[in-house]
Amino acid sequence: DAGITQSPRYKITETGRQVTLMCHQTWSHSYMFWYRQDLGHGLRLIYYSAAADITDKGEVPDGYVVSRSKTENFPLTLESATRSQTSVYFCASSDPEGLAGTGAKNIQYFGAGTRLSVL
Amino acid sequence: GENVEQHPSTLSVQEGDSAVIKCTYSDSASNYFPWYKQELGKRPQLIIDIRSNVGEKKDQRIAVTLNKTAKHFSLHITETQPEDSAVYFCAARLDSWGKLQFGAGTQVVVTP
Repeated sequence: DAGITQSPRYKITETGRQVTLMCHQTWSHSYMFWYRQDLGHGLRLIYYSAAADITDKGEVPDGYVVSRSKTENFPLTLESATRSQTSVYFCASSDPEGLAGTGAKNIQYFGAGTRLSVL
Repeated sequence: GENVEQHPSTLSVQEGDSAVIKCTYSDSASNYFPWYKQELGKRPQLIIDIRSNVGEKKDQRIAVTLNKTAKHFSLHITETQPEDSAVYFCAARLDSWGKLQFGAGTQVVVTP
């Protein structure tokens, strides 16, 4: 679990500000994911990435931007934060082919989460 | 796309009793079904998973069953203990990208 880290753990911001949440993994997992967790909705996929420079939208991508210039990093940016983006954000990674040797194929390992409040 | 429904949303059990959580999925092509446990303030962690070529899998006090025909799968926890209190999420894998569709979660409370 220590192989995937998120920062910051807590963030308070104001509406309209840009915020970037960081995710870093040391396993060389090719797949990475961003979820948001809200009461009653479980975990909803925002964006995902299959490799460096390959990203795609998930279920709730509006208002978010991602990039993946390096395999180990997958930052999530809220370009102009809104109150509806107040949530807990989780990053996850997986090794779909079992090549990294860090666990079974396709298991998603989650970071500790970032609690974001938009005032 | 895939839709995963999870029931019940809350489950209260006496210590030592069994707990069962059920999930249904819509896409018959889904072939991987993990279960995650999330303690309060913590990250979700995989507790057990099952692939579509298997009907049942056990790991000590937890088990998962899969009925592909009916498109539902269930988590069974026997001899529940207070440390089993948590939110449990089921999920179904959507495609070769490894995307998971999660259920809304079940809050399990084990009372002594």
